[in-house]
Amino acid sequence: DQQVKQNSPSLSVQEGRISILNCDYTNSMFDYFLWYKKYPAEGPTFLISISSIKDKNEDGRFTVFLNKSAKHLSLHIVPSQPGDSAVYFCAAPNAGGTSYGKLTFGQGTILTVHP
Amino acid sequence: EAQVTQNPRYLITVTGKKLTVTCSQNMNHEYMSWYRQDPGLGLRQIYYSMNVEVTDKGDVPEGYKVSRKEKRNFPLILESPSPNQTSLYFCASSFGDFGTGYTGELFFGEGSRLTVL
Repeated sequence: DQQVKQNSPSLSVQEGRISILNCDYTNSMFDYFLWYKKYPAEGPTFLISISSIKDKNEDGRFTVFLNKSAKHLSLHIVPSQPGDSAVYFCAAPNAGGTSYGKLTFGQGTILTVHP
Repeated sequence: EAQVTQNPRYLITVTGKKLTVTCSQNMNHEYMSWYRQDPGLGLRQIYYSMNVEVTDKGDVPEGYKVSRKEKRNFPLILESPSPNQTSLYFCASSFGDFGTGYTGELFFGEGSRLTVL
């Protein structure tokens, strides 16, 4: 049972335009979400997070939106840059309060930003 | 420099030949875990450890063993590797759980690509 789903395996955008990466979840107990970015031959690195008490969190060019009723979150990158080309994973900590560090990951979306 | 170090980065082995992937972190993190990444499946947790001598199974523990004898080290052991364990493996660490102010951020190593023939 895939509790965190990223249904778009890949996304291609032009430099300077907006990139929108989507993520859906099924477990209503999830109350915190994170986005990770992964370059080839490197480990994933933390990008941005959002708590369920918010519907938006911004950090520079990156904004994450959360729609709890739809169990959907999205990551917006504006403007997109070629250096943003990577695999993006959404993730949620173990439901139920404490996580002990376990994250449930989506399948990932490969973002390609063309110059 | 704060980091999680895995070795080896690349390994080709044969079915049944025991191997160990080492993981070490220098951030004094309590929590460590192993994930595997496979196409179309994202990252799935294999085992985790909340502290020295405390380990537990993740989502896909079959065929793996771990130990946590020191806080900084968390090796992953494949006693009898099989081809379905061909994958990209990541070790990760963090401070702990939400009760201690943890924000969910895991720090990952660079990955170990394992091929079992």
